[in-house]
Amino acid sequence: GPKVLQIPSHQIIDMGQMVTLNCDPVSNHLYFYWYKQILGQQMEFLVNFYNGKVMEKSKLFKDQFSVERPDGSYFTLKIQPTALEDSAVYFCASSPGWTQDTQYFGPGTRLLVL
Amino acid sequence: QQQVRQSPQSLTVWEGETAILNCSYEDSTFNYFPWYQQFPGEGPALLISISSVSDKKEDGRFTIFFNKREKKLSLHITDSQPGDSATYFCAARTGGNNKLTFGQGTVLSVIP
Repeated sequence: GPKVLQIPSHQIIDMGQMVTLNCDPVSNHLYFYWYKQILGQQMEFLVNFYNGKVMEKSKLFKDQFSVERPDGSYFTLKIQPTALEDSAVYFCASSPGWTQDTQYFGPGTRLLVL
Repeated sequence: QQQVRQSPQSLTVWEGETAILNCSYEDSTFNYFPWYQQFPGEGPALLISISSVSDKKEDGRFTIFFNKREKKLSLHITDSQPGDSATYFCAARTGGNNKLTFGQGTVLSVIP
């Protein structure tokens, strides 16, 4: 089936540093998402993105977070500065359309903030 | 506050048995319920889904039973195979919204 790629698979950084998580969505998909999963907890919605704009974000999407997809390249999640509580697995997803369309997930980036 | 709850947390069945995974929700505006299957090191992949206008959805060995009044649904996996060993997530979404709310997942182990 369609594949979403995420780079890197693992990232370890010191608290306060900036980190960028990269997502290569399914080609011709128009909607992009980030979800966060803290160890032992359920996956939680962070943000969705369409046509260069954030459509909706959750309260987990702090001011230190930003997303963009410049010129059809990677869909990125940037955290600046990072905090200890940002340690989690971040899943990227994409879908061809809006409602009732399947979201295809990447394998996740495991972020550890020390 | 967990909007979507799953039980059991983990389940072990023998090959050939039927595995039953449960899910309940709180938000009555949820109207679409996808189940995702996740293998270690991979992202969740859509397995089967149901909308709230139906009470049953079948796809091969996988069947969702949905009880709107009780806000409960279950995933039945018949003739379980070792290759079905994975984590299963129940998710929910409201109409006009593409934000998925996930349960904590059920880890299924199928013993040969």
